[in-house]
Amino acid sequence: EDQVTQSPEALRLQEGESSSLNCSYTVSGLRGLFWYRQDPGKGPEFLFTLYSAGEEKEKERLKATLTKKESFLHITAPKPEDSATYLCAVQATSGGYNKLIFGAGTRLAVHP
Amino acid sequence: DGGITQSPKYLFRKEGQNVTLSCEQNLNHDAMYWYRQDPGQGLRLIYYSQIVNDFQKGDIAEGYSVSREKKESFPLTVTSAQKNPTAFYLCASRPEGQRAFFGQGTRLTVV
Repeated sequence: EDQVTQSPEALRLQEGESSSLNCSYTVSGLRGLFWYRQDPGKGPEFLFTLYSAGEEKEKERLKATLTKKESFLHITAPKPEDSATYLCAVQATSGGYNKLIFGAGTRLAVHP
Repeated sequence: DGGITQSPKYLFRKEGQNVTLSCEQNLNHDAMYWYRQDPGQGLRLIYYSQIVNDFQKGDIAEGYSVSREKKESFPLTVTSAQKNPTAFYLCASRPEGQRAFFGQGTRLTVV
């Protein structure tokens, strides 16, 4: 069964304290892994797309990496404005149909 | 401006009432999706559609219905059979194999 699991569920960091969020997946034939940021009451905001193992993408304090079984979102020297829920999604194919499956997210709180 | 528009932003439903959430996109994307999000939770797939006049059930389709008569539009009806409809509903569209574009969501509350 196609599945996406994110850990930890919640993470509290001090400003400047670097850490990583994990997204592990079980899907038959990965055709894309996506990271999003979501603020309360808003739609998810796109961050990165990764397609193959070994691929890395960076944007400001964020860096996403991908292996054959999981992806990491590394946050370097976070600031309070990085506080949000971070969502991971994978594209799964079932019976010729493509669907986008999300994990439950990691709620990040960065304190000054 | 290109994008996805969901309406209304807030919706209140009485017990036993059907309500319809609107989702319109002008991005010319074939695929569209509806997700439900409960407080502190991730996104759960309700229905998705790859092309006009075709749609598939997601993981939590019971109590919901959709139509896809036009490429631009993918309305979601929350029926009276959905016993716990209070949630945040998100619509998305995407080109094949690429990332999804999301609307700003509709918050549905049962009163």
